[in-house]
Amino acid sequence: QTVVTQEPSLTVSPGGTVTLTCASSTGAVTGDYYPNWFQQKPGQAPRPLIYSTTHKHSWTPARFSGSLLGDKAALTLSGVQPEDEAEYYCLLYYGGAWVFGGGTKVTVL
Amino acid sequence: VRLQQWGAQLLKSSETLSLTCAVFGDSVRFSYWSWIRQPPGKGLEWIGEIIDGKSPTYNPSLVSRVTMSLDSSKNQFFLNLESVTAADTAIYYCARRPTGIDLWGQGTLVTVSS
Repeated sequence: QTVVTQEPSLTVSPGGTVTLTCASSTGAVTGDYYPNWFQQKPGQAPRPLIYSTTHKHSWTPARFSGSLLGDKAALTLSGVQPEDEAEYYCLLYYGGAWVFGGGTKVTVL
Repeated sequence: VRLQQWGAQLLKSSETLSLTCAVFGDSVRFSYWSWIRQPPGKGLEWIGEIIDGKSPTYNPSLVSRVTMSLDSSKNQFFLNLESVTAADTAIYYCARRPTGIDLWGQGTLVTVSS
């Protein structure tokens, strides 16, 4: 069974930078996994942020960016705002099926 | 563009979960249409997706119980999950995926009681 692993939790100061990663149990994550990233706040549906590794949706704030970092997909938040406190999920493609990561709780302190 | 979903919210063990997602402002003939669920307090789980004219693809852990379909005349797509148990209690979301997933329904909390 394929497992997608994210950091369980990260803490960042307002105005700081934090990088979340997304690893695959099958090996290195490449562009062929079409990484997606979502933000979810309590009681809300997930909000899409990034697709196909680096592409932003029209509503995605400029401070969010997606990349490949080593053998993982990554989401970087630069100039973190208090409203960025949320759960973040990655999603990877495995040739017909998709698998979500377990999520990263980002705390802004 | 929006997705509006509905279905029975309280089921008993062994019953079949049935949800409908209506698409407004887009056509179900284009894009992939997905179902995703989230147990209370837990993470997201991809259930499967469907596109017009092709067979759906399902999460291997659910493939024996899940069926997705699409009705272009109604501009709707559907999820059926058979033989539910308490472990299927979750918020179920429908979603659109033209390339990445870019639109989610409001979610439907389905509770399975034993």
